[in-house]
Amino acid sequence: EIVLTQSPGTLSLSPGERATLSCRASQSVSSTYLAWYQQKPGQAPSLLIYGASSRATGIPDRFSGSGSATDFTLTINRLEPADFAVYYCQQYGSSPRTFGQGTILEI
Amino acid sequence: QVQLVQSGAEVKKPGASVKVSCKASGYIFTSYYMHWVRQAPGQGLEWMGIINPSIGSTTYAQKFQGRVTMTRDKSTNTVYMELSSLRSEDTAMYYCARDRSGSDSGAFDIWGQGTMVTVSS
Repeated sequence: EIVLTQSPGTLSLSPGERATLSCRASQSVSSTYLAWYQQKPGQAPSLLIYGASSRATGIPDRFSGSGSATDFTLTINRLEPADFAVYYCQQYGSSPRTFGQGTILEI
Repeated sequence: QVQLVQSGAEVKKPGASVKVSCKASGYIFTSYYMHWVRQAPGQGLEWMGIINPSIGSTTYAQKFQGRVTMTRDKSTNTVYMELSSLRSEDTAMYYCARDRSGSDSGAFDIWGQGTMVTVSS
């Protein structure tokens, strides 16, 4: 199974700053089947990015994804208070689908 | 609007089984595969398996093989996840999530609100 390792574990930033989150795969993720999710306390995850770089419906362009093969990045520009949450990467190109352990983005 | 509504919280004893439902609305039920994902308290996300609501075919994560059964009822647009031989480590929030691709190769674009399952003697 593909193991996803996210870094950093916790990222402390302020509103208005830029966040850069990393996701590294133990083997190549086929066809960039890599997604990013945001999860706020007490809520289900929500899809941000799929196909490594495509924004899901309604996601502002402050959120961008990049990368391929084994290295992927989620960038959030001009952080807003609502952005502070936990972020997970996921590969869905092979079974079992796997998630990273998450990055906590805190103020 | 497109939504998935799950059944309510459950408390079970070790060794028992639990069956969680996920009712879909706002889209053609048989056109999108459905996944199940769980999250233990304070932990990350764990994929359990997938069901094709059209024909009922399933694929389970190896970890849950033999203990999990996913089914669907096309008359009510509902998928079910049953987990047997429960142990304390199965205490978690269980989510259903729709595969956006129309097959089994997409990200999860719609999530249920979650069902908390607590296993305790």
